[in-house]
Amino acid sequence: EPEVTQTPSHQVTQMGQEVILRCVPISNHLYFYWYRQILGQKVEFLVSFYNNEISEKSEIFDDQFSVERPDGSNFTLKIRSTKLEDSAMYFCASCVIKEYVRSYNEQFFGPGTRLTVL
Amino acid sequence: LAKTTQPISMDSYEGQEVNITCSHNNIATNDYITWYQQFPSQGPRFIIQGYKTKVTNEVASLFIPADRKSSTLSLPRVSLSDTAVYYCLVGDPAGTYKYIFGTGTRLKVLA
Repeated sequence: EPEVTQTPSHQVTQMGQEVILRCVPISNHLYFYWYRQILGQKVEFLVSFYNNEISEKSEIFDDQFSVERPDGSNFTLKIRSTKLEDSAMYFCASCVIKEYVRSYNEQFFGPGTRLTVL
Repeated sequence: LAKTTQPISMDSYEGQEVNITCSHNNIATNDYITWYQQFPSQGPRFIIQGYKTKVTNEVASLFIPADRKSSTLSLPRVSLSDTAVYYCLVGDPAGTYKYIFGTGTRLKVLA
């Protein structure tokens, strides 16, 4: 069964450093997402991405964050200057939506990257 | 986006049927209702999605009344491995694609 993969599984960084979290969505999917989950809290939407551009973003997704699909398979989340409060699990998700057809769009989530900012 | 309200936690025993209700009073005409399951340190996993009436798959049923202001996820004969957090999401699958996860319902299945 196809799955979303994420690397690394755990990233430890110093405050102020840049980090890049990587995701490989399912190959025929068209929509990509990043979410985060601070320990013990709810899953929070960050950004959605379609056709090589951001479709939606939340208020959390400020100028310190950026996303990119550098090639046909990877989808990355970059945090330019990490803060202590960026420590969280970051989940990538993807889904396929048929154009012009209102059908369900199950999001497939990856296993997550645990980011620890010291 | 429709805001959802769910019970914070529920306990059940193995073999019982569990029903988790989600309220979404301001659901929009184009919104679908989707339920996800999340185990600790894992990403959410899709369980079921519906628009109205009843939807059933191999793991769960989803009951949606005519006014669509609430929905009930039904898990038949739960086992210990069903212990997880269950999220109800409401949104337009062909619209903004943005999903708001609430606090979810923490289900604990006891032996």
